[in-house]
Amino acid sequence: NAGVTQTPKFQVLKTGQSMTLQCAQDMNHEYMSWYRQDPGMGLRLIHYSVGAGITDQGEVPNGYNVSRSTTEDFPLRLLSAAPSQTSVYFCASRPRQASADTEAFFGQGTRLTVV
Amino acid sequence: GQQVMQIPQYQHVQEGEDFTTYCNSSTTLSNIQWYKQRPGGHPVFLIQLVKSGEVKKQKRLTFQFGEAKKNSSLHITATQTTDVGTYFCAGRRGGSEKLVFGKGMKLTVNP
Repeated sequence: NAGVTQTPKFQVLKTGQSMTLQCAQDMNHEYMSWYRQDPGMGLRLIHYSVGAGITDQGEVPNGYNVSRSTTEDFPLRLLSAAPSQTSVYFCASRPRQASADTEAFFGQGTRLTVV
Repeated sequence: GQQVMQIPQYQHVQEGEDFTTYCNSSTTLSNIQWYKQRPGGHPVFLIQLVKSGEVKKQKRLTFQFGEAKKNSSLHITATQTTDVGTYFCAGRRGGSEKLVFGKGMKLTVNP
């Protein structure tokens, strides 16, 4: 039971570098989302997807791109890293039910430092 | 936009004490969820409240959803050191797919 898998767990980038944070889930969940967690700021939604081929912006989308080509994968791309993107990033997924919301399952997180 | 606010942001209690934390939304919510994040860990789902005025209990934790579906509370009885962590509430507004989290309430316990 892998659940939600994020890679890498830790990453250090130089300002201006690009990278992709990977997120994969094996639960066939329709909804996937990316959050960033900063001290005193809680979990802020970056981007989310309600199914393959469909993505939308969250609260803090600037500087990040996403795509959802398959149900399983939802990568987060930083095109030109900035120190303000130093954070812990969490990917989450949840199934879609017509009648009620469902719990979100989180990955272990990626701790990103931009120097 | 939708905002979810939690108070207090930090709480330090003596082991055995009771305390309550609150979650307030600027808009009416379809439901509210609560998560717990242990230090160094990831958020883990605790419970979901859907109905106006709903009350649910999990051992020493009591969760309540307000009548107007705009606020919620978490009450912990006889706090233990295992309760340490950050508690988040999260809500979704009707018609929106976004699950928005509050800033969290960080609990520390003095044994």
